[in-house]
Amino acid sequence: AAGVIQSPRHLIKEKRETATLKCYPIPRHDTVYWYQQGPGQDPQFLISFYEKMQSDKGSIPDRFSAQQFSDYHSELNMSSLELGDSALYFCASSLPGLNEQFFGPGTRLTVL
Amino acid sequence: KQEVTQIPAALSVPEGENLVLNCSFTDSAIYNLQWFRQDPGKGLTSLLLIQSSQREQTSGRLNASLDKSSGRSTLYIAASQPGDSATYLCAVKTSYDKVIFGPGTSLSVIP
Repeated sequence: AAGVIQSPRHLIKEKRETATLKCYPIPRHDTVYWYQQGPGQDPQFLISFYEKMQSDKGSIPDRFSAQQFSDYHSELNMSSLELGDSALYFCASSLPGLNEQFFGPGTRLTVL
Repeated sequence: KQEVTQIPAALSVPEGENLVLNCSFTDSAIYNLQWFRQDPGKGLTSLLLIQSSQREQTSGRLNASLDKSSGRSTLYIAASQPGDSATYLCAVKTSYDKVIFGPGTSLSVIP
């Protein structure tokens, strides 16, 4: 069965650079969620989209922005990267409503 | 503000034992609760989803219960195996599209 796809899987950036992470949800899933997991931390909710509109927002810094496109894939754009942004970034998708979230493998971002 | 806690933080058991992991949440107004497994440096694998109207869900050797009124969920693992070693996280859905995770329980099953 198709799963959530994230790209790239690994990314190394310098401080103050920008990064774009991509997420391709499971077919027919129209809700996408982004999470950040720092070393030894539990995942923290950043932002979610339903039918291409932002549906909820968590602890997402102003330096980050995200959007969902017409094919339901989503991109997380991160600017002015800081050392503290180094983390595992997960994307999850679900069918609308109260359904189960399915997580992608994550993108490991390292900021040097 | 919803807070999710998990006890214990770490657990080490010999192979074959039955064990219980606990998850507590402060606000009973949840939509659902989901248990995940995470291997070191890897992604999150969904184990069980319990809707707010349900009391328990079972999948193989796993059984999860939910008591919304007391703000508790338990994950029961029967006949533990070394392959069950991982971090187990519970997550509550607090609004239509927002999920809050607990800190996780690190499980080690000793052969």
